[in-house]
Amino acid sequence: EVQLVESGGGLVQPGGSLRLSCVASGFTLSNYWMHWVRQAPGKGLVWVSRINNDGNNTIHADSVKGRFTISRDNAKNTLYLQMNSLRAEDTAVYYCARAPYYDFFRLDYWGQGTLVTVSS
Amino acid sequence: DIQMTQSPSSLSASVGDRVTITCRASQSIRTYLNWYQQKPGKAPKFLIYAASSLQSGVPSRFSGSGSGTDFTLTISSLQPEDFATYYCQQSYSTPITFGQGTRLEIK
Repeated sequence: EVQLVESGGGLVQPGGSLRLSCVASGFTLSNYWMHWVRQAPGKGLVWVSRINNDGNNTIHADSVKGRFTISRDNAKNTLYLQMNSLRAEDTAVYYCARAPYYDFFRLDYWGQGTLVTVSS
Repeated sequence: DIQMTQSPSSLSASVGDRVTITCRASQSIRTYLNWYQQKPGKAPKFLIYAASSLQSGVPSRFSGSGSGTDFTLTISSLQPEDFATYYCQQSYSTPITFGQGTRLEIK
C-alpha cells in the first residue's frame, strides 16, 4: 500500500525555521518526482515545490523562493522541505505528493498533511 | 502563470442528481488537466488525469471532458460519499496551478 506520512509541523514565530519530512512506503521513492503543496485554513490548494527523482533538479513557487528548499534522501525514503524566514502567510497544512515518471505533474498520492502555524 | 477558474464555487444537489463542474484555463493547456476530490480534514484524492482518463479505482459515475481551455467534471448520479470539494489542476507548465475549488453540498 502506498503511504506518505508527513511530520515536522508546529507553531513557530515569524522569522523562524522548520523542517518538514515526508516518509514514503509501499513504492520505490527514487522512481518518482515529488511535490509539496500547501493549503491555508479554509482556502484552496497551492503548489509550493517539486524535485526530480534523483534530487538534482528543483523548483519553487515565487512566494517561497529563497526561503524554502526541497530535498530528498532516497536511501531513507524521505522527502524534506526546509522552511526559513517564515511569515504569517506561510501558515497552512503542508502536503507531500508523488508524481509518476511518465507525468511529472500528476499528483496521484498525497500524504495526510502537517500543519504549520506561524504566529507570535 | 496559468490561471484556473472553476464554476460554480459552490453547488447544492441531492443524492441521485447529475452534476457538472466547469474549469477554465487562462490559456490553452491541451488536455493537461487533472481533477481531485477533497473531504474536510483529509488529503486530496486523485480522480481524473489527462482531462478524461479515470484513475484506477475511481467509480465510473465520475467522468471528465474538454481540451484547450474549457473542461468539465461530471458526476452522473451523486452518492452520499461524493459530497466534497473538487479541484482542477493544470499540469501543462510550471508552476502547476489549481482552481479555487467547487464545494458540493447536500441539498
